[in-house]
Amino acid sequence: DQQVKQNSPSLSVQEGRISILNCDYTNSMFDYFLWYKKYPAEGPTFLISISSIKDKNEDGRFTVFLNKSAKHLSLHIVPSQPGDSAVYFCAVPRTGNQFYFGTGTSLTVIP
Amino acid sequence: DGGITQSPKYLFRKEGQNVTLSCEQNLNHDAMYWYRQDPGQGLRLIYYSQIVNDFQKGDIAEGYSVSREKKESFPLTVTSAQKNPTAFYLCASSRGGGNQPQHFGDGTRLSIL
Repeated sequence: DQQVKQNSPSLSVQEGRISILNCDYTNSMFDYFLWYKKYPAEGPTFLISISSIKDKNEDGRFTVFLNKSAKHLSLHIVPSQPGDSAVYFCAVPRTGNQFYFGTGTSLTVIP
Repeated sequence: DGGITQSPKYLFRKEGQNVTLSCEQNLNHDAMYWYRQDPGQGLRLIYYSQIVNDFQKGDIAEGYSVSREKKESFPLTVTSAQKNPTAFYLCASSRGGGNQPQHFGDGTRLSIL
């Protein structure tokens, strides 16, 4: 039973444009959300997070938006750069400091 | 440089053999985790440990075993009971307490000969 869903397995965007990656979750009790970025043959690295008391968190080119009523979060990358090409995972906490991870969206930024 | 080291990067196993994947961290984190990643799937939790000498099964623990004798080390043994062991294995660690981001190693790819 997937608690976190990323329905787009892949996304291609032109360099300089906006990339929007989406994530849906099932449990309205989740109160903290994270995005990870993963390059091939490497482990995921933490990118950005948002608490449920906010609807937006920004860090440089990366902004995460949270829509609690829709149980939806999105990651915006503006402007997109070729080095952003990676797999992006959303994650939500479960008990014991564990997380549910989505299946990932592979982003390709075309120069 | 603090981080998590997984070794080896690639590992091959003959059917019927046990194999142990190494995970070491020097981040002074209390909690450590093992995940498995298969194509088209998210990260699935195998085992986790919140403190030395204690560990708990995750969602897919069957065919795996772990130990946590030292804070820095959390080795994973893939036993012959694991029927489909070919996968990418990731180790992670985090501080104790809630909502702490996990830091990952670079993974070990295990293949069956």
